[in-house]
Amino acid sequence: GAVVSQHPSWVICKSGTSVKIECRSLDFQATTMFWYRQFPKQSLMLMATSNEGSKATYEQGVEKDKFLINHASLTLSTLTVTSAHPEDSSFYICSAATGLGDNEQFFGPGTRLTVL
Amino acid sequence: AQKVTQAQTEISVVEKEDVTLDCVYETRDTTYYLFWYKQPPSGELVFLIRRNSFDEQNEISGRYSWNFQKSTSSFNFTITASQVVDSAVYFCALKEVYGGFKTIFGAGTRLFVKA
Repeated sequence: GAVVSQHPSWVICKSGTSVKIECRSLDFQATTMFWYRQFPKQSLMLMATSNEGSKATYEQGVEKDKFLINHASLTLSTLTVTSAHPEDSSFYICSAATGLGDNEQFFGPGTRLTVL
Repeated sequence: AQKVTQAQTEISVVEKEDVTLDCVYETRDTTYYLFWYKQPPSGELVFLIRRNSFDEQNEISGRYSWNFQKSTSSFNFTITASQVVDSAVYFCALKEVYGGFKTIFGAGTRLFVKA
């Protein structure tokens, strides 16, 4: 199957700093990318959907100014957690699809963020 | 609105036992996809199966089998002769085709298989 990578795989930062997480589709063009957040022992919660070249659509309750998503190319989407706080510590997972209606969705390995 | 319910939070079995993980979903769409994923301790999701709403055939893949019943909106997953390596969290997920194309996950079932 198609491969999606995330970088970094884990990151520790101080409260108040910003952290950028990259999501890349390695062998296909991802028109649509999704970002999920997973707190310990909880399910994956969809944060936002982004289509290449347009603004991301955020789920209710997700602050778009805090979680900046950029999908500037067909193989790269980035999630920037701005002014991170300890409550933002979580496992962030991206997934990519060739199109919005595509039934295949490929998941990255996740990025574990710890904010001290 | 779409919803996925996995009522079993944790299941513990002894190796070689069979175990069934339940999944019940809600959707207004007539066209949708159902998925099962495995999440081992490493965190990376492992895709297990995808089923579209028009295909109610049950599927078997090795020790894994899935029972899809539209009449009860259920998509249950059975592992036969469980093994310690099956220990993980299993998620059932639903994607509506006309409801925004979002994949929504159930709460997950944590499976412990003891030797």
